[in-house]
Order: sequence, then C-alpha cells, then structure tokens
Amino acid sequence: EVQLVESGGGLVKPGESLRLSCAASGFTFSNYNMNWVRQAPGKGLEWVSTISTSTSYIYYADSVRGRFTISRDNPKNSLYLQMNGLRAEDTAIYYCARTWGGYDSWGQGTLVTVSS
Amino acid sequence: SSKLTQPLSVAVSPGRTASITCSGDELRNKYACWYQQKPGQSPVLVIYQDNKRPSGVPERFSGSNSGNTATLTISGAHSMDEADYYCQAWDSNTGVFGGGTKLTVL
Repeated sequence: EVQLVESGGGLVKPGESLRLSCAASGFTFSNYNMNWVRQAPGKGLEWVSTISTSTSYIYYADSVRGRFTISRDNPKNSLYLQMNGLRAEDTAIYYCARTWGGYDSWGQGTLVTVSS
Repeated sequence: SSKLTQPLSVAVSPGRTASITCSGDELRNKYACWYQQKPGQSPVLVIYQDNKRPSGVPERFSGSNSGNTATLTISGAHSMDEADYYCQAWDSNTGVFGGGTKLTVL
C-alpha cells in the first residue's frame, strides 16, 4: 500500500524557517516525480514544487521561488521542503503527492502556521 | 502562468447527472486531471489524462476535454459524491489547479 507521511509542520513567526519531511513507503520511491501542494485554511489547492526522480528537474511556484527548496533522498525514501523567510500567506496544510498520471497519492498533510 | 476557471458550486439531485467544467487557455492541448476532496480529508485523484479512471474510482465518474474546457461528469450522483472537486493541468512543467467546485447532492 502506498503511504506518504508528512511531518515538520508547526507554528512559526514571520521570517523564520521550517523544514518539512515526507516519508514514503509501499512503492519504489526513486521511480516517481514528487511534489508539494498546499491548501490555505478554507481555500483551494495550490501547487508549490516538483522534483524529478533523480533531481535533474526542479520547479517552483512563483509565490515560493527563492524562499523554498525542494529536495529528496532516494535511499531514505524521503522528500523534503526547506521553507525560509516564511510569510503569513504561507499558512496552509502542506501535502506531499506522488506524480503518476496526475497526483495519484497524497499524504495526510502537515499544518504550517505563520503568525506573530 | 495559465489559469483554470471552475464554477463555485454545482447542485444535483440524487441519481441525476452532474457536470463540472474547467476552462483555460490552450486546455485542449494539455491533459486535465480531477480531484475529489471531502471535508477534513486529503484530495483523491478521480480522473487523469482527461478521461482515465484510477483503480477503485467508480465508473460513474468520467471526464472529457474539448476546446478550452475540460468536464467532469458524475452519472447517477450519490450522496457520498458531495465534495469539493478540483481540476488540474500542467503548464510548462508547473502544476495549475482550478479554484474548486463544491458539489451538493440534494
């Protein structure tokens, strides 16, 4: 069974940093592009970033480029999102999602709250 | 980046057919996906590559993409289909979501 489990969320102040992790199991992690997608409270889904299987290709939404860094560790079956310079508008549930056709598997999400 | 436009809400009676549209420039040249999200839950992929259903998704869910509009059709809607639905496509390797449509079954 495919499982994606996010962790690392929490309450931080504007300007601070946070690192999210996503532990994958039940599939060959290194064979899939992976993504972060977020959802602000009561709002819709927003794609954040994508990383290819061997990290050759990395893409970011304009709203996070230059502040967020996606990475992966294939031997550890893990995906990461380093978030620096956090802003109030980054407050959201952050999901990791696998790409296959579409975003075919999602974690339960981890909540990031940015507030002074 | 491109924008995908969905109606805010759609209502359907149980057993009837619901259609949710998603409009965007050049959408006909892209694959569209659809996700279902129920309150407090993670999204679930229900349609990919315009009209393909992942394993486990009921046959009453179907999709199409023509012109600049992708459409999710739910034939014989059930009360359990009440949820938010999001379309999604890729634009220059970036993921783009529609704003979401709340489907009410009443």
